[in-house]
Amino acid sequence: GDSVTQMEGPVTLSEEAFLTINCTYTATGYPSLFWYVQYPGEGLQLLLKATKADDKGSNKGFEATYRKETTSFHLEKGSVQVSDSAVYFCALAPSAGGYNKLIFGAGTRLAVHP
Amino acid sequence: EAEVAQSPRYKITEKSQAVAFWCDPISGHATLYWYRQILGQGPELLVQFQDESVVDDSQLPKDRFSAERLKGVDSTLKIQPAELGDSAMYLCASSPLGQGARETQYFGPGTRLLVL
Repeated sequence: GDSVTQMEGPVTLSEEAFLTINCTYTATGYPSLFWYVQYPGEGLQLLLKATKADDKGSNKGFEATYRKETTSFHLEKGSVQVSDSAVYFCALAPSAGGYNKLIFGAGTRLAVHP
Repeated sequence: EAEVAQSPRYKITEKSQAVAFWCDPISGHATLYWYRQILGQGPELLVQFQDESVVDDSQLPKDRFSAERLKGVDSTLKIQPAELGDSAMYLCASSPLGQGARETQYFGPGTRLLVL
C-alpha cells in the first residue's frame, strides 16, 4: 500500500544552518504531497504542498520539490531559526480513490540552538 | 481565521471507562477526519465523514470505538471501554469538499488521552 518514509530524528542544528529533511514515498499514480509542522502541544499546520511532478511548494523560507523520478519530497530551508524547532511530517494524499485521505510519515523532530 | 475546535484538550481516564471527544470543524467544511497519533509516530486515519456519512472507517477498532456526525457539522468520537494502548493524541481535521479534491486538511489542537 501507499506509504511515506522520513529520515529519523532528532535533527539538531545551530541557528542559521541549512536544513534538509528527507522524505520518500511509495504510491501508485500521482499523489499530492504535503509537509505539515507540529509545534509543542499543538495540532498540525500545513507548511507547504505540491500536487504534481516538478511542482515546488514554498512557505516561510521552506521549500520542497515533487520529484517523481526519485519519489521524493525533501524539505529544505537555507537558514533555520530557533522558532523553527518542531516536528515535521511528510504526507501524501493518494491519487486513487475518491476521498481525500492523508498518509503520514513518522515525523522528524528538529531542534535549533542559538 | 476560522479554526477547528476540539475538546477536551486533555483527558485522563482509567481503563475500562468510557471517554468521548468532540470536534467542531471549520464552518462549511463538508469533510471531517479523526486521526490517532501515538507518541513518536505520524497520525493515522481512524474515520472520515463526508457530511453525515462515514466514507472510510477501515482503521477504526469498531469493537470499542464509535464516531458520529449526526447533522453533518460537529462530531463525537467515543471509546468504550478504554484500554491502556489507547493513550494517544486524537486529532480532528476538516476540509471543504473532500471527494476527489485532494485538498488541504485543517487540523485542530487535538485531545491528549492518557489511560491509566
